[in-house]
Amino acid sequence: VQLVESGGGLAQPGGSLRLSCTTSGFNFGDYSVTWVRQAPGKGLEWVGFIRSETYGGTSEYAASVRGRFIISRDDSKSSADLLMTSLKTEDTGIYYCTRDVSYGSYLSYWGPGTLVTVSS
Amino acid sequence: DIQMTQSPSTLSASVGDRVTITCRASQSIRSWLAWYQQKPGKPPKVLIYKASTLQSGVPSRFSGSGSGTEFNFTISSLQPDDLATYYCQQYDTSSYSFGQGTKLEIK
Repeated sequence: VQLVESGGGLAQPGGSLRLSCTTSGFNFGDYSVTWVRQAPGKGLEWVGFIRSETYGGTSEYAASVRGRFIISRDDSKSSADLLMTSLKTEDTGIYYCTRDVSYGSYLSYWGPGTLVTVSS
Repeated sequence: DIQMTQSPSTLSASVGDRVTITCRASQSIRSWLAWYQQKPGKPPKVLIYKASTLQSGVPSRFSGSGSGTEFNFTISSLQPDDLATYYCQQYDTSSYSFGQGTKLEIK
């Protein structure tokens, strides 16, 4: 099982950035994908997740990003995206793509993370 | 949303010591709690799930206990490789949440 994030970089406050999570080694369509972030020197923060189509393909988001971030998935490409808009400086951090072991379960697999910096 | 309160935030102990970290949930999460270990520059790694089940391949010196709102994570005999930050995480609701983390330092 592998997950690899890409798309991180520098963005301006108020701007947008799209992160991608490319996966391999498992049947992507059977699993939810969760995004977790970590501000520099800080703890882990759950960002949101998208369910598999089996469970409706719907998403849930943390209050801090709801209305600004959108998670999508493309089962044909075994990938998921995190579209981040109206970025704030406090969105700076490492963003991890993760997979649960089964629906609604703990996060058993993590990507190495991609760094997002929001600064003018 | 469920708030997870972890203590202490920093813990300094010697090799061979028994160390315990506590995690409290703002409402009952039954046994839907995981513990993760994060080493500097690396993503977290799950050690314990369902409050007390040891993940495959994880040394038996790690253990977890508790249910409802109060949980403990214990290292029975601290090893130098255990230098890391430890997080609890609830998955009882679809809005997951993490504790603030406990940074474990080796004396």
